Amino acid sequence: DVKVTQSSRYLVKRTGEKVFLECVQDMDHENMFWYRQDPGLGLRLIYFSYDVKMKEKGDIPEGYSVSREKKERFSLILESASTNQTSMYLCASSPETGATDTQYFGPGTRLTVL
Amino acid sequence: AQKITQTQPGMFVQEKEAVTLDCTYDTSDPSYGLFWYKQPSSGEMIFLIYQGSYDQQNATEGRYSLNFQKARKSANLVISASQLGDSAMYFCAMREAGKTSYDKVIFGPGTSLSVIP
Repeated sequence: DVKVTQSSRYLVKRTGEKVFLECVQDMDHENMFWYRQDPGLGLRLIYFSYDVKMKEKGDIPEGYSVSREKKERFSLILESASTNQTSMYLCASSPETGATDTQYFGPGTRLTVL
Repeated sequence: AQKITQTQPGMFVQEKEAVTLDCTYDTSDPSYGLFWYKQPSSGEMIFLIYQGSYDQQNATEGRYSLNFQKARKSANLVISASQLGDSAMYFCAMREAGKTSYDKVIFGPGTSLSVIP
């Protein structure tokens, strides 16, 4: 079974703090994704990585950065957390890029910024 | 413009009954994939079923089937014999091939399903 893990299920941070969300997958997938999920909006793509050290902006990259130093690990960084970044963050991975390829998700991190 | 529409924010179904969750999509790309995911209260998104735009037959996976009507751009999820464990959010998603440097998956806003004993 594909396993995608995220470092924290729940996280509470203060405005202005630097926040790291870690994601690890164990299936040697090329592609990794970070989404945020908000009620009524579904999932929105923040960043995408198709290889080590490669990244591309998704739909809502502002206020976020990412790092992929190893194939299995994809980190989402909030340089200076703000209250409007309170959300559920979901990491996903997929083996290849194509219309047929399923993304596999981690359990999510519910981040609250006070 | 919304590319994935799920018009039912919330639905109820009696245990053991069948239920249909609606999804319509918008694309001009002839090659695309349609997915349904389930998200229980635990938060993890669970892949349920996939339908390719060129697939001739409707996809089925156990109690899940996808009612694919290409001309209507409709991809409804049918759950047969509902169980209490089916209570969750359900997301319809679409992946278009080849439009950008990555094949972006677009998710709908979701439908909350509650199964009543």
